[in-house]
Amino acid sequence: DGGITQSPKYLFRKEGQNVTLSCEQNLNHDAMYWYRQDPGQGLRLIYYSQIVNDFQKGDIAEGYSVSREKKESFPLTVTSAQKNPTAFYLCASSIGGTESNYGYTFGSGTRLTVV
Amino acid sequence: AQTVTQSQPEMSVQEAETVTLSCTYDTSENNYYLFWYKQPPSRQMILVIRQEAYKQQNATENRFSVNFQKAAKSFSLKISDSQLGDTAMYFCAFMKHAAAGNKLTFGGGTRVLVKP
Repeated sequence: DGGITQSPKYLFRKEGQNVTLSCEQNLNHDAMYWYRQDPGQGLRLIYYSQIVNDFQKGDIAEGYSVSREKKESFPLTVTSAQKNPTAFYLCASSIGGTESNYGYTFGSGTRLTVV
Repeated sequence: AQTVTQSQPEMSVQEAETVTLSCTYDTSENNYYLFWYKQPPSRQMILVIRQEAYKQQNATENRFSVNFQKAAKSFSLKISDSQLGDTAMYFCAFMKHAAAGNKLTFGGGTRVLVKP
């Protein structure tokens, strides 16, 4: 079945360490997105990519980095510069272009906790 | 920048009854898309319903329907015949038409509890 896989489901990080969250899709979608969700709040856009080897900052990109070397993969690195990284992270994809207005497909998320 | 506001943090409803969730948004665009997503306790985001701003007819998906009032910038979701499986967070979201990146902007969410 086609879908988006995020791994790991739970991740613990020590302060000062970088950590990378994985996001893989087999939907042949061009566009991919990373959102952050804090308790009781909506989703905020971190980074997005419309095509391989290209990505743009979202609303809260500081302290994060991404790469898009393959169409299927859009990993997110939470760096030590992110002051409050504990959150739930959601990856999503869409067909791309005007077809994206049909909405996104989401992964099941990664819960990151800084200990 | 677009903003999406959901003014009801929590709502509860008896099984089989109807509940309406409110959503307002702020935009200067004329063409755009609106969505309702459901996030159950599993935290998987599920698309519930979608509305195109240039269509006056309100979208309907089984027990879910919207009341889209473009002039008022309002997009409410009605859940009819509520079921226990409807218990979830519901997010309203906005997307500009043909915008670079096709970014979704989300509201803060409304938690819905369906009681037996």
